Amino acid sequence: GIQVEQSPPDLILQEGANSTLRCNFSDSVNNLQWFHQNPWGQLINLFYIPSGTKQNGRLSATTVATERYSLLYISSSQTTDSGVYFCAVRVTSGTYKYIFGTGTRLKVLA
Amino acid sequence: EPEVTQTPSHQVTQMGQEVILRCVPISNHLYFYWYRQILGQKVEFLVSFYNNEISEKSEIFDDQFSVERPDGSNFTLKIRSTKLEDSAMYFCASSEQARDGYTFGSGTRLTVV
Repeated sequence: GIQVEQSPPDLILQEGANSTLRCNFSDSVNNLQWFHQNPWGQLINLFYIPSGTKQNGRLSATTVATERYSLLYISSSQTTDSGVYFCAVRVTSGTYKYIFGTGTRLKVLA
Repeated sequence: EPEVTQTPSHQVTQMGQEVILRCVPISNHLYFYWYRQILGQKVEFLVSFYNNEISEKSEIFDDQFSVERPDGSNFTLKIRSTKLEDSAMYFCASSEQARDGYTFGSGTRLTVV
């Protein structure tokens, strides 16, 4: 089955710093979402981004499906950005389920 | 913004007991899903449900698990005889169409003792 790897696995930032999180996938996909899991365990949808670039405030994401990766950019990080970031992908045929990546655990220090 | 609602937020049960986790998907959504996340691990697919039947399920979703849409609004996951290893966060999700992105609920943390 498809492999979804995220890097880095762990990241510690000072408040105000910028960061780039990466999601690599081993097969063709037709959908991709980024989620933030907050310290209470809730999964918050950040982006639905099968291709191209989207921005929402301090966050933006880019997916290059032909090269099998997606990037999540966090600018001017805040302590509330702490948590785990997951990408999830859906392969192009035979299924409608999303496969989650391994996650990036982000801690933003005040 | 419309939400997927899950209840309870936390449930503690004794090993061997049956539990029912409840979800209210977004009202115009047609596709429903359950995922689980064992503490510190990846989020794993359990089952998808459409038109009152299971459309896909994972190896985890064995005979101990069942899903049901008992009325027009609820979507439930039943675990018949819980094991210690069923302790996890269970997430419900829904989507309007199969190819759309998901909206997840806030999860039910199940602890089996």
